Order: sequence, then C-alpha cells, then structure tokens
Amino acid sequence: DAGVTQSPTHLIKTRGQQVTLRCSPKSGHDTVSWYQQALGQGPQFIFQYYEEEERQRGNFPDRFSGHQFPNYSSELNVNALLLGDSALYLCASSLAGSQSSYEQYFGPGTRLTVT
Amino acid sequence: GDSVTQMEGPVTLSEEAFLTINCTYTATGYPSLFWYVQYPGEGLQLLLKATKADDKGSNKGFEATYRKETTSFHLEKGSVQVSDSAVYFCALSRGGYQKVTFGIGTKLQVIP
Repeated sequence: DAGVTQSPTHLIKTRGQQVTLRCSPKSGHDTVSWYQQALGQGPQFIFQYYEEEERQRGNFPDRFSGHQFPNYSSELNVNALLLGDSALYLCASSLAGSQSSYEQYFGPGTRLTVT
Repeated sequence: GDSVTQMEGPVTLSEEAFLTINCTYTATGYPSLFWYVQYPGEGLQLLLKATKADDKGSNKGFEATYRKETTSFHLEKGSVQVSDSAVYFCALSRGGYQKVTFGIGTKLQVIP
C-alpha cells in the first residue's frame, strides 16, 4: 500500500521564478492538504483540495495556488518566488467522510530553496 | 483562531529517563488532538491521537490524555530510548475540513 509520495525531493530556484510541486495521496484517499514548514517551525496550513476544488485556505497570498486532478493527485504552484518561500513543503492526504477523516498522512516533503 | 502552544526545546535526556512534553491548546468546540513525530530528514508521522475529552492516546510507549478542563494534551513516556530522538509536534484538528494546526515543535535528544 503506497503512502503519500511527493516530487521532487529537493529544488533550488531563483527569486522571481515559478515552481510546481507534486503529490500523490495514499491509496484510497481523496483529500489533499498542503503545508509549509519553515526551518525550526511547525507546519503551516496552505490549502486543502477535495473533489478538485479548493475547500479551505490558510493565510497565504495568491501567489500560492493549487490543483487537484481526477485521480486525486495534486500540485502546488508558487509564483514570483521570494527568499522567504524557502521551506519544506508537506503534502498530506485523508479520506473525507470516514470515521478517521481527521487523520492526515504526510509525505516526506519537498525541500525548496530560493536563492 | 486555533492555536497550539508547546514547550520550547531542545530537551536532552539520558536513556531510560522519563519524558514529559507539555502542550496546551486554544480552540472552540471539541477539537481532535494529536502528537506527530518527525525523525531527521523525514516527513511527519502520526504518533497518537485523542478525539474527545478524557481519551488517552497511546503508541510505542508514549501516552497523552485529552484534558478539556486544562486544555492540555501533554506527551509522556516512562523510559526513553536513543531511537526516540526526533522533533515532536502537538496539533489539533477542528471541524469537518480537517485542517491541522501545529505547535512549534519540541526537539528531543536522548543520549546513551
């Protein structure tokens, strides 16, 4: 049973560039959430996708956008990168409507460095 | 809004020592509470959970009890091992959309 997978593992970008991160949820899960974890901090919620729609959003600017595909996989896009966007980006999946819908399974993350 | 406060680290303990990591929360309603663990270079793993008041979550020798009267969910282990060295995050989830709010994390280092 494959867990949550993310790609790429590491990424280095320059200020002003755009980046796309990818996530495949755990088998059987239909909901994907994205988090940003700055060094030495706890993860911060970016947004959540369900049925290909953004269902909830945290306090992140519109430069952060996402997409969910019919197979439940998801992308996180960040435009006009800033140095402060350097962080570990975590994807988490869950199954909506289940008794354990509050349980989120996390991927290993993508380490983004903006120079 | 929702928030989680946990003790600042790092915490350094000798092997077989008793561990307590304090966690308190602020949230309306009745959130579910979690402890996640992050080993070096890895993603987050759910360690234990509790979904209602007075529930005790437990896993791998770790325990935490949901105390609504004190809005706390302290993590404990009777005898830590070197392999327990990691960062521990207290977290809560409220509502049907399952957004998880995390604390800052507490780094635990266990020395032989």
